[in-house]
Amino acid sequence: AQSVTQLGSHVSVSEGALVLLRCNYSSSVPPYLFWYVQYPNQGLQLLLKYTTGATLVKGINGFEAEFKKSETSFHLTKPSAHMSDAAEYFCAVSGWNAGGTSYGKLTFGQGTILTVHP
Amino acid sequence: ETGVTQTPRHLVMGMTNKKSLKCEQHLGHNAMYWYKQSAKKPLELMFVYSLEERVENNSVPSRFSPECPNSSHLFLHLHTLQPEDSALYLCASSQFVLGKNTEAFFGQGTRLTVV
Repeated sequence: AQSVTQLGSHVSVSEGALVLLRCNYSSSVPPYLFWYVQYPNQGLQLLLKYTTGATLVKGINGFEAEFKKSETSFHLTKPSAHMSDAAEYFCAVSGWNAGGTSYGKLTFGQGTILTVHP
Repeated sequence: ETGVTQTPRHLVMGMTNKKSLKCEQHLGHNAMYWYKQSAKKPLELMFVYSLEERVENNSVPSRFSPECPNSSHLFLHLHTLQPEDSALYLCASSQFVLGKNTEAFFGQGTRLTVV
């Protein structure tokens, strides 16, 4: 079984400030980890993903995330927030089910709404 | 057209109506999904189709009936819904490869309101 916990349902930052969105996961198998962004009345757009290899992954729009196995974390960061970053962000985990397959099924966290103040 | 396309974008239906949501993917993927996104709740996986076979059904009420006629199309047939079924319904697709997990690509969603 897999689960994802996003700490903080709302995060507010000033424009130009550091963005840090927290994600912790639970997985009995090596996880694949994803961050998605959702703008109002839109679908989900992939920001970045971790599969294997380098634990620091870079995504679109200046975002990056670091996989820390010992902490079971995959926090999302951006050095300098922009007004256009205001959206809801979802962390997700994918892995294998009991049958040895996963079909790319994702388990999502509850989401974090990011607000950026001028 | 590219990506994952969902129609309609908005739907209002009465509890006695029958309607269908449509999803089409132009990515050549072999797996498709329906997710439900309700206010203040995590995204819920409803159905998974892989290679046109339903491989997962997460205890979804029978008033929701999926159909996957081919690898590019996915439908969600709705009948006698309840007001609590009002939500954003998201379709997604991915390429399933044994031994790998690939990311899912999402459509824009259908905002469903049951009155």
